[in-house]
Amino acid sequence: GQQVMQIPQYQHVQEGEDFTTYCNSSTTLSNIQWYKQRPGGHPVFLIQLVKSGEVKKQKRLTFQFGEAKKNSSLHITATQTTDVGTYFCAGPYLSNDYKLSFGAGTTVTVRA
Amino acid sequence: GAGVSQSPRYKVTKRGQDVALRCDPISGHVSLYWYRQALGQGPEFLTYFNYEAQQDKSGLPNDRFSAERPEGSISTLTIQRTEQRDSAMYRCASSRGDSYSTDTQYFGPGTRLTVL
Repeated sequence: GQQVMQIPQYQHVQEGEDFTTYCNSSTTLSNIQWYKQRPGGHPVFLIQLVKSGEVKKQKRLTFQFGEAKKNSSLHITATQTTDVGTYFCAGPYLSNDYKLSFGAGTTVTVRA
Repeated sequence: GAGVSQSPRYKVTKRGQDVALRCDPISGHVSLYWYRQALGQGPEFLTYFNYEAQQDKSGLPNDRFSAERPEGSISTLTIQRTEQRDSAMYRCASSRGDSYSTDTQYFGPGTRLTVL
């Protein structure tokens, strides 16, 4: 079955630095979604990418969907303490778009 | 309500007991999903409802797990004869349901189930 893998599992970042987290799928995805879960909170939808090679920005966050639609990345610039949390990518199963396969997430901690 | 609500927020039960977890989706949301999230992992799909119809239950681990949404709004996930391996965070999500591929899922706060 489809698997969505995320690396790294943990990301320790100095405040003000940039970092990137990666998401890879074993199969081609119709779209990729990113969620953020704050400590003790629940997953909150951030963005969805649909087109091959698509790039979307949300303030300091840049999301990219690979040309082959099998991988995605999230790049955060000038990390702030508000960026703390776990970032999940999720892709739908091919024939059932409602059914999302989530990666294990990248947990981000920030050193002030 | 403003968001998806779930109750109880915490449930501690003894092995062998039945538990019922409730989800109240965002008003007007047609689609409802149940997920299970283990510590350090992403949510794992359990089942999906479109209105009151259970369209997909392929993620339910075994026949001790069942779910219903009789009036197309509130949903209940029931686990019979609980086992310690059932301990996890159970999350509910809802979406408008007008387009699967672009349909944002809104998650509830979850029910933390602990089976002793």
